[in-house]
Amino acid sequence: QKEVEQDPGPLSVPEGAIVSLNCTYSNSAFQYFMWYRQYSRKGPELLMYTYSSGNKEDGRFTAQVDKSSKYISLFIRDSQPSDSATYLCAMTGYNYGQNFVFGPGTRLSVLP
Amino acid sequence: GAVVSQHPSRVICKSGTSVKIECRSLDFQATTMFWYRQFPKQSLMLMATSNEGSKATYEQGVEKDKFLINHASLTLSTLTVTSAHPEDSSFYICSAREPSGSTDTQYFGPGTRLTVL
Repeated sequence: QKEVEQDPGPLSVPEGAIVSLNCTYSNSAFQYFMWYRQYSRKGPELLMYTYSSGNKEDGRFTAQVDKSSKYISLFIRDSQPSDSATYLCAMTGYNYGQNFVFGPGTRLSVLP
Repeated sequence: GAVVSQHPSRVICKSGTSVKIECRSLDFQATTMFWYRQFPKQSLMLMATSNEGSKATYEQGVEKDKFLINHASLTLSTLTVTSAHPEDSSFYICSAREPSGSTDTQYFGPGTRLTVL
């Protein structure tokens, strides 16, 4: 079992739809959870950052962390064609020396 | 958010030459920087972890003599691809770690596309 699992997609939705992106993980030591957006031929851009469990909202984006289920989600409301990108989840633990672990990424296409 | 720059953004070179890529954290000090490689439509592959003032830690399968990493200051890390060959053509991305209080995250540079002819 991989340390972080993420459906690679591709996921296609119509403009205006609510998008749900998810990752599951196996290491209970993870405490910091991130979502990155990567456009083609660009470096990943930090979208959302969450520490421990809970929800965090930023504009059209909502990140949820359920540590009891080892499950994190990113919701995109009123999706736009400009949201078409690959979305990577990432996580790390308390110890400073612990590596970050990335999911493989989900390719999202929002169709106009 | 924090800004990480990378230079050059694109490089084309002949086989056998060496190429240096710079990664800078512009508005924070990064004691740890990471170098990733990414092939088309694939996820990030961690190559090495670079700590300021010490030797880089390479992932299994990454040749340390091929990919030289130097992290001479808290804001600069360099990756040198020595004697580059066509199979080294890829998208190289650096990131810088910012741990502060309850924050511990990475910020990525824009990437460098290397094409070896």
